[in-house]
Amino acid sequence: QKEVEQDPGPLSVPEGAIVSLNCTYSNSAFQYFMWYRQYSRKGPELLMYTYSSGNKEDGRFTAQVDKSSKYISLFIRDSQPSDSATYLCAMSDFNKFYFGSGTKLNVKP
Amino acid sequence: DVKVTQSSRYLVKRTGEKVFLECVQDMDHENMFWYRQDPGLGLRLIYFSYDVKMKEKGDIPEGYSVSREKKERFSLILESASTNQTSMYLCASSEEGTYYGYTFGSGTRLTVV
Repeated sequence: QKEVEQDPGPLSVPEGAIVSLNCTYSNSAFQYFMWYRQYSRKGPELLMYTYSSGNKEDGRFTAQVDKSSKYISLFIRDSQPSDSATYLCAMSDFNKFYFGSGTKLNVKP
Repeated sequence: DVKVTQSSRYLVKRTGEKVFLECVQDMDHENMFWYRQDPGLGLRLIYFSYDVKMKEKGDIPEGYSVSREKKERFSLILESASTNQTSMYLCASSEEGTYYGYTFGSGTRLTVV
């Protein structure tokens, strides 16, 4: 069983839609939860991170962590064509990082 | 703007060649990492280093070695390239004690023929 599971998509939505991206995990020791965005032929860039449970908002992006369900989400409001990318979740247990395999998002104009 | 720079964006090498992938960061970060990224498999850790001249094996070190002679530079070496090492290689760095994020380079797409 993988430490982190992420649906690969692709996910295709119209411009302006609310997007929900999700990951599940199995290791209850994870404390930091991160979302990276990766454009085609580029390296991943850190979008947001949260520590332990709860929500964090940054502009159109909201990250949620539910440690009881071992489930994390990234919501994108008013999605734009420029949000089209692969989104990777990542988690850390103070010792090592674990990455999801990424969900490819396409926002259609 | 902070940067992790990988020397080549695209490389094509022949089977059996020795291949060097270079990574330089300008953020004075202690930690540096090499990952490979393959469709469906995500990012897999090859090697990492927490200090100059220090290296630790990651999850898939076979067929690879690394060198860190200076704090800012971390090199990945494919001793004898094989076709199953065709992949996207990503270098990353982070501050000591940082558990919430790496800064990645743009990646090197290596094709071994």
